[in-house]
Formats: sequence, structure tokens, C-alpha cells
Amino acid sequence: QKEVEQNSGPLSVPEGAIASLNCTYSDRGSQSFFWYRQYSGKSPELIMSIYSNGDKEDGRFTAQLNKASQYVSLLIRDSQPSDSATYLCAVIRDDKIIFGKGTRLHILP
Amino acid sequence: NAGVTQTPKFQVLKTGQSMTLQCAQDMNHNSMYWYRQDPGMGLRLIYYSASEGTTDKGEVPNGYNVSRLNKREFSLRLESAAPSQTSVYFCASSWDRASNSPLHFGNGTRLTVT
Repeated sequence: QKEVEQNSGPLSVPEGAIASLNCTYSDRGSQSFFWYRQYSGKSPELIMSIYSNGDKEDGRFTAQLNKASQYVSLLIRDSQPSDSATYLCAVIRDDKIIFGKGTRLHILP
Repeated sequence: NAGVTQTPKFQVLKTGQSMTLQCAQDMNHNSMYWYRQDPGMGLRLIYYSASEGTTDKGEVPNGYNVSRLNKREFSLRLESAAPSQTSVYFCASSWDRASNSPLHFGNGTRLTVT
């Protein structure tokens, strides 16, 4: 089992709708969780971090963490064409930062 | 505030040539990292430096060497480039490897080995 798994997509979502991105991880010892956004040809940029169970909201973004089920998700409300990018889930385990392969999100105008 | 600066942005090498990728950060971060990103493979850690004076292997260290020159600078060297090393290379830094601090990435170096 891969350490951090994401559906590669592409995930197509109409403009204005909610985009839901999911990530599962294999090690229960994982401590911290991050979502990065990466536009084509650009470097990843941090958009959300979450450390404890529950929801964390920042503007149109909500990160959700469920350690018992070992998944972390990212919701993007009121999706905009500018949200079209690859979203990388990252997990800290044993002082190592492990990335998933990313989900390509495409917002349909 | 420049953040993490990588040079060069693009490089083409012939098989067997050597080169050094440079990285510098101005955020006073303790930890620095080198990743490579290949289509369908995601980001894979090559080497990291938890603090000045220390370096450790990541997931894919073979064919690479690193030097943590000082707190600001962390270089990646390819001694004898191979086509399998064609990739996009990202340098990143964080406040502390063992904490919850996220990574800050440079703009990347696109390397092609022919």
C-alpha cells in the first residue's frame, strides 16, 4: 500500500460548485497534513495545513482530517477557473514529509 | 523577500557530464530539501539537511550528492548525469524538519539529459 494515495483525476467540476479532493494515508503515526496547489510548470504552494481531527476553514477552502479513518480531504467552495491545478496531499511521518502523486482538478467555465 | 532561489532554471546535459544545482533561502530556515518531480511519480525526496552541517538520504539518493554550504545554501550535484535523471528539481526549505512547519519551494530547475 502506498503511503499517501490520491486519485490522479482529472476531476472536472463546474464553476461555482464544490470541489472535493481526497487523500488517504497508511501510517497511523502520521502527525501533520498539508495541501499544496501546483499550477502547470510552477512550484507547489501551500494552501492549507491541518494537525487535529475535524475541519479547518480558510476562505473558500476547508480541510478535513479523520485520523481514525486515515483520510484527509480538501473542499473548495464556489470553484473558480483559477482553481484549476494539481493538488498535492502531504503527510509528516517520522520527521519525513511524504507526498501523494496529486489530483488534477479542472474547473469547467 | 526572495524566499527560495534556485539556479539555473533550465539545463541540458549530455550523458556523463556533471553539474551543480544551487539553492539559497533567505527565511532563516533550519531545514532544506531537494526533490525531483517526474510525470506520474509525484515529488520524491532526494536528500535533505535537517540543520546546518548535516545531510541525509531521502527516497532516491543514488547518483546525487549534496552540500549544505551554510545555513542559507544547499547544493545538489550530479557527478555523471544519466538520462534517468531528466526531471524537474525543486529545492525547498522549512523552519524545522521535526515540527509542523510546511515546505517553501523554489521555482524549480528543469533538467534534460541526452
